Amino acid sequence: EPEVTQTPSHQVTQMGQEVILRCVPISNHLYFYWYRQILGQKVEFLVSFYNNEISEKSEIFDDQFSVERPDGSNFTLKIRSTKLEDSAMYFCASSPGHPLSGANVLTFGAGSRLTVL
Amino acid sequence: SQKIEQNSEALNIQEGKTATLTCNYTNYSPAYLQWYRQDPGRGPVFLLLIRENEKEKRKERLKVTFDTTLKQSLFHITASQPADSATYLCALPNSGYSTLTFGKGTMLLVSP
Repeated sequence: EPEVTQTPSHQVTQMGQEVILRCVPISNHLYFYWYRQILGQKVEFLVSFYNNEISEKSEIFDDQFSVERPDGSNFTLKIRSTKLEDSAMYFCASSPGHPLSGANVLTFGAGSRLTVL
Repeated sequence: SQKIEQNSEALNIQEGKTATLTCNYTNYSPAYLQWYRQDPGRGPVFLLLIRENEKEKRKERLKVTFDTTLKQSLFHITASQPADSATYLCALPNSGYSTLTFGKGTMLLVSP
């Protein structure tokens, strides 16, 4: 079964450092997402990406964050100048079709746990 | 924005019983609603999608209902097993249908 692959599984960084979280979505999917989950809290939407541009972003996704699809397979989330409150599990997800059609069933990766010290 | 409410208290049931989880939403009624399962430290896994014109949807031991008048979905697991123990998340599209918003989820614990 096709899956979404995320690396690293766990990253520890110092406050103020930059981190890049990587994702390989399912190959024939067209829509890509980043979500995060702070320990004990709900899965929160960060950003969606379609046709090589951001289609929607939440208020969490400020200038500290950026996303990129540098080639045909990878989808990255960059967090600049990390803060303690950025510590969370970050999930990448992809979906095959347009959300309006109901075809945006999301396939999630296993997540990247970010710990900011 | 849409507010999704799921019972934050864990649901404890005995093996073999039917578990019923509730998802209420407060704003517009979406064209569809989804349920996901999340195990500790893992990403959510899609279970079922139900559309607004479907009253009920089944998949093996799972059943979902969608009542747009009550603004509520019920998620049932029949003949529950300890392996069903997990957190179950309700998810709705936002008003622009550009993404999914998740509820906080309800933890289900099935004891042998």
